[in-house]
Amino acid sequence: KQEVTQIPAALSVPEGENLVLNCSFTDSAIYNLQWFRQDPGKGLTSLLLIQSSQREQTSGRLNASLDKSSGRSTLYIAASQPGDSATYLCAVRHRHGNNRLAFGKGNQVVVIP
Amino acid sequence: DAGVTQSPTHLIKTRGQQVTLRCSPKSGHDTVSWYQQALGQGPQFIFQYYEEEERQRGNFPDRFSGHQFPNYSSELNVNALLLGDSALYLCASSQRTSGGFQETQYFGPGTRLLVL
Repeated sequence: KQEVTQIPAALSVPEGENLVLNCSFTDSAIYNLQWFRQDPGKGLTSLLLIQSSQREQTSGRLNASLDKSSGRSTLYIAASQPGDSATYLCAVRHRHGNNRLAFGKGNQVVVIP
Repeated sequence: DAGVTQSPTHLIKTRGQQVTLRCSPKSGHDTVSWYQQALGQGPQFIFQYYEEEERQRGNFPDRFSGHQFPNYSSELNVNALLLGDSALYLCASSQRTSGGFQETQYFGPGTRLLVL
């Protein structure tokens, strides 16, 4: 069974600092890994998707890396802003799972103005 | 182009009751998956439907059942509600390729269920 862990569970940073969020998974036989953003009480917004053959993906201030062999992914958010305050979820799709996603519990982020 | 929609947005039920949640997939998608997200937890996979049949199921009891209609919309039914069923229920849609593979899922805003 795929286990996904995200650390730290919660963190606060001053505005302008870079954010580093970590995700680890136990089964390296993944098809892809996806990072989502979730605002309180809301649904999921996809931020970045990394295919298993890729090492990283970038979108604006966001960069996600993937090291499949070690079962790790990192989401970097450059120059954080108060609007970045949210919970960030990591999800992996198993190679043979036919689209079932296994999620971590999330990193709850607060950016202090 | 409408994304994934869910109804209702919020719902309050009492223990023992039954509830039905609804999901309309994104245009062009034929597959619907349901997830349960308890407070402070990541979403947990409940089941997936395409071609009007349940194709995959997570570790949820038979009290959780579903249905998919010919227009690809879906319902999630939960019988004999327990306090622990209080959660955000998320629907995700995707498109199955001709090779039988599923493309990336898109999530709806969720239905918040509170069981008293």
